[in-house]
Amino acid sequence: NAGVTQTPKFRVLKTGQSMTLLCAQDMNHEYMYWYRQDPGMGLRLIHYSVGEGTTAKGEVPDGYNVSRLKKQNFLLGLESAAPSQTSVYFCASGLGQGARDTGELFFGEGSRLTVL
Amino acid sequence: ELKVEQNPLFLSMQEGKNYTIYCNYSTTSDRLYWYRQDPGKSLESLFVLLSNGAVKQEGRLMASLDTKARLSTLHITAAVHDLSATYFCAVDAGSGTYKYIFGTGTRLKVLA
Repeated sequence: NAGVTQTPKFRVLKTGQSMTLLCAQDMNHEYMYWYRQDPGMGLRLIHYSVGEGTTAKGEVPDGYNVSRLKKQNFLLGLESAAPSQTSVYFCASGLGQGARDTGELFFGEGSRLTVL
Repeated sequence: ELKVEQNPLFLSMQEGKNYTIYCNYSTTSDRLYWYRQDPGKSLESLFVLLSNGAVKQEGRLMASLDTKARLSTLHITAAVHDLSATYFCAVDAGSGTYKYIFGTGTRLKVLA
């Protein structure tokens, strides 16, 4: 039972390079999220999606783009990486807040990104 | 803009002691979530509080929600070393947004 899978788990980039983080979930969840975690800052929401083909900005969206072309996948892109984007990135998914779901999120294992 | 504040940020306590972690949030919300994160690991769901006055308990942890005060508490009873972790609360920014905002976390260290 895979749950939420993130790839890659580790990556080192040079300033100005681009990359994409992939999040895949096999729970048929509607909602998907990208957070970044930095020491002393907790988790901050970058972008999220409430369904296939939709995306919305979170608290810290600048410098990132996302796409949700398939329900099970949520991609996070960095077009021109900066040292300030060095962080641990977490993907999460949730079924929704319908009658049969509580809104809790299920997290991937995280992706550690270093930008030199 | 929704703000979620936790205190304390760091907590070092002796085994067997009791303590409470507080989570305050700035806008109306009737849903609040608690998560646990072990060092270097992912987050796992602890409690889901869905209405004013909700109380959930599991083992030595008990969570409660007061939506009028915009406050949730996570109470630790007779702490043990295995509870050492970082605890986060999270709030839905508004009905129907599904935009979950997290607090800064409380790093708990239980000393033997």
